[in-house]
Amino acid sequence: GDSVTQMEGPVTLSEEAFLTINCTYTATGYPSLFWYVQYPGEGLQLLLKATKADDKGSNKGFEATYRKETTSFHLEKGSVQVSDSAVYFCALSVNQGGKLIFGQGTELSVKP
Amino acid sequence: NAGVMQNPRHLVRRRGQEARLRCSPMKGHSHVYWYRQLPEEGLKFMVYLQKENIIDESGMPKERFSAEFPKEGPSILRIQQVVRGDSAAYFCASSPPGTTKNIQYFGAGTRLSVL
Repeated sequence: GDSVTQMEGPVTLSEEAFLTINCTYTATGYPSLFWYVQYPGEGLQLLLKATKADDKGSNKGFEATYRKETTSFHLEKGSVQVSDSAVYFCALSVNQGGKLIFGQGTELSVKP
Repeated sequence: NAGVMQNPRHLVRRRGQEARLRCSPMKGHSHVYWYRQLPEEGLKFMVYLQKENIIDESGMPKERFSAEFPKEGPSILRIQQVVRGDSAAYFCASSPPGTTKNIQYFGAGTRLSVL
């Protein structure tokens, strides 16, 4: 079945370090791919998305490129801040309007 | 435009009681989704509803769980005869009609604790 696998956390970085959170997927169709962020005690917020191969989603300095050949959607940021500390979820949707399938989440902690 | 509203934020129930979780979608949104997040796990899809219709309930446990989204009022996720394993955060999401409906907007969640 369809699934998403993320790198395990927690990931601990110093402020201004480079961030990569790996995400790979398995899907029978042509999924849309998403990154969501969850701050402590809050719901999920959409960070960025890509709907077809080679699309690059970007927002707030974060980027991810939809790689069909490697079935990946890795999240990157060139210089993290303490305020980026949160749990990041990679997700896919196969059918437009249908359910989201989430990875297990990766906790990021950024130290000053 | 208010976001997705869930209440209560925290709910404590004893084993065997009923839990009712409410979700008001964003204005103009006609699709509602419920997800469950168990401790140390990602979110798992439970059910997808449109007004007065269940579209996909493939993630709902077969017993004790039900969901509705009436013509008027919020969507309700109902858990009967709760057990300790039901303790989790339950998130509701909504999306608008049309081609962008696969973007889902999440509420802050209801954290259910079963004693």
